This record gives sequence, structure tokens and C-alpha cells, in this order.
Amino acid sequence: GAVVSQHPSWVICKSGTSVKIECRSLDFQATTMFWYRQFPKQSLMLMATSNEGSKATYEQGVEKDKFLINHASLTLSTLTVTSAHPEDSSFYICSATTGSQPQHFGDGTRLSIL
Amino acid sequence: GDSVTQMEGPVTLSEEAFLTINCTYTATGYPSLFWYVQYPGEGLQLLLKATKADDKGSNKGFEATYRKETTSFHLEKGSVQVSDSAVYFCALTDQGGSEKLVFGKGTKLTVNP
Repeated sequence: GAVVSQHPSWVICKSGTSVKIECRSLDFQATTMFWYRQFPKQSLMLMATSNEGSKATYEQGVEKDKFLINHASLTLSTLTVTSAHPEDSSFYICSATTGSQPQHFGDGTRLSIL
Repeated sequence: GDSVTQMEGPVTLSEEAFLTINCTYTATGYPSLFWYVQYPGEGLQLLLKATKADDKGSNKGFEATYRKETTSFHLEKGSVQVSDSAVYFCALTDQGGSEKLVFGKGTKLTVNP
């Protein structure tokens, strides 16, 4: 089946640094990738929709300058959390789709900002 | 806007018990409906889906039927196993799953031996 790989799975860094998370579709070409944020014991909140070769579409309330999304190829999208602070600590999950199939999810990245 | 409401958890069952997790939705148009499962520390896996009224999705012994008249998509399993312990999310989208997913809050299931 379709596989989405997310890296790293867990990252701890100091406040003020930037962190990049990669999302790769390993066996299919993803025309669209989604980035979600999940707080403890809560549901997934869609942050942005990323289409290959174009700018990401951010959901209301998500700071585009804070969460930089790049979808440069059909198999890779990256989320960069810039100048991260403790309140950015969360579980970030990506998903990918060809456009005609259900979304396939990565295993998530646990981000901890000290 | 579209929304999904699922029963509050957590749900704790003994092995081989019957499981029902309720899910109702509000949507314009004719959404597709999904159940996703999240095991501890992992992302989401698609469990089953249904794209039109009266469709029944099934997988790994789980079933859910798309009921347009009651706007529901309840998840059921006749005999749960310890390995079914996870968080279950009901979700909808309006175009076969490729567009934005709207999730319920999730229901944590714990199955004891």
C-alpha cells in the first residue's frame, strides 16, 4: 500500500532555533500534502494544504511566516517551524494524496522545544 | 461548516466484547466518511471508508454503515482484541478523501485481556 515517511520522528531543540520536518511519499506521487498539528489527547488540526509547485494554503489562525511549507517535488514536502518556542511543542503529522485516493498519513513528528 | 461529533471516551472493554463508537456528522452536500485509527506514538491509518449513502465500509472485523437519514457512521466490531487498543477518529470530506478532512475529537479504546 501507499507509504508516507516522516522524518524525524522526534526532535528536541532549544527555544529560538528552527526545525525542519520532512514528509515523503515513498511509492506514489503526491499532488497534495497536508500538515496537521495534534495536541495531547485532542484531534488533528489542519494547518495547511500544500500542492506541488505552488504556495501552500494556510488555515485561518496559522501563521505562514512561522510555519514555512515547501512542496518542491511530487514526493517531498517540508514544514519548517521558525524560531520555535515552547508553545510550538506538539505532534505534527503530514498526509499525502494523489488527488483521487484517501489521504495516507505519516507516523508523525514529536517536537519538544526547551 | 462541516463537523463531526463522536462519542466521548475513553472506552474500556474486555477482550471479545462488542464495540460501538458513535459518530454523527453535519455537512453540506454528500460527504465521504472515514474511520482512522491511531496507535500510540504513530500517525493515522485508514481503517475503513464509505462514499455514499447505505455503503458499508469494513476492514479487520470493523464495520460502519453510511446512514444519510440519521447522518451517522457508527463504528462496530463484534469481538475486540487487545491489539485493537488505540484512538479512533471519525472524519469526513466532500470529495472522496483527497480534499480536507474534518476530524472528530477521537475516542480512545482500551481492551483488557
